[in-house]
Amino acid sequence: QVTLRESGPALVKPTQTLTLTCTFSGFSLSTRGMCVNWIRQPPGKALEWLARIDWEDDQYYNTSLQTRLTISKDTSKNQVVLTMTNMDPVDTATYYCARTPDYHANAPYFYMDVWGRGTTVTVSS
Amino acid sequence: SELTQDPAASVALGQTVRLTCRGDSLKTDYASWYQQRPGQAPLLVFFGKNNRPSGIPDRISGSTSEDTAFLTITGAQAEDEADYYCNSRDVSGNQVVFGGGTKLTVL
Repeated sequence: QVTLRESGPALVKPTQTLTLTCTFSGFSLSTRGMCVNWIRQPPGKALEWLARIDWEDDQYYNTSLQTRLTISKDTSKNQVVLTMTNMDPVDTATYYCARTPDYHANAPYFYMDVWGRGTTVTVSS
Repeated sequence: SELTQDPAASVALGQTVRLTCRGDSLKTDYASWYQQRPGQAPLLVFFGKNNRPSGIPDRISGSTSEDTAFLTITGAQAEDEADYYCNSRDVSGNQVVFGGGTKLTVL
């Protein structure tokens, strides 16, 4: 059974750095084609993709946020970590991690088949 | 957003509704579709040319035409009431984009 679980602080202050951890089970991030994504959703708003890390440790970021984001993985611990610097109240959102099981650069599709339950982060002083 | 969805749609119980998602990236990539009920994480309901994850009822189907993807729900049920998001890579292939979502009401 594939599961993902997000963890991190529920409250951060403006200008602080947010560190979120996605702990997963049921698959290996060393498997060819495997990726883990981070996505967020502000209250009442749409989903926004943040970053992706793949089995080869390649990282991809939302271009509008890439100066603030870092994604990394610890394959031995089955974890993916996202850091976001200089947090602002507009970053208040539920943050999800989700798996992409068969990413291929030339394939005409992209999807995320299993999602964590999400973790809510509020940015406030 | 580089994918455009209608903000809202409605369907009578047992009838058929088609949700749309438009974007240049859909000329080369198939959309994937997610259902999100209030307070829950998104759930993948359709992806690729013709792929429905295990456990998703076959009344949910997808299709595409040029730059537009469609999610069709045939014989809508009360549990289909949710927000629906489409998703694909952008035209560069490195970014991932979501549509703004469609809130589906089952009357």
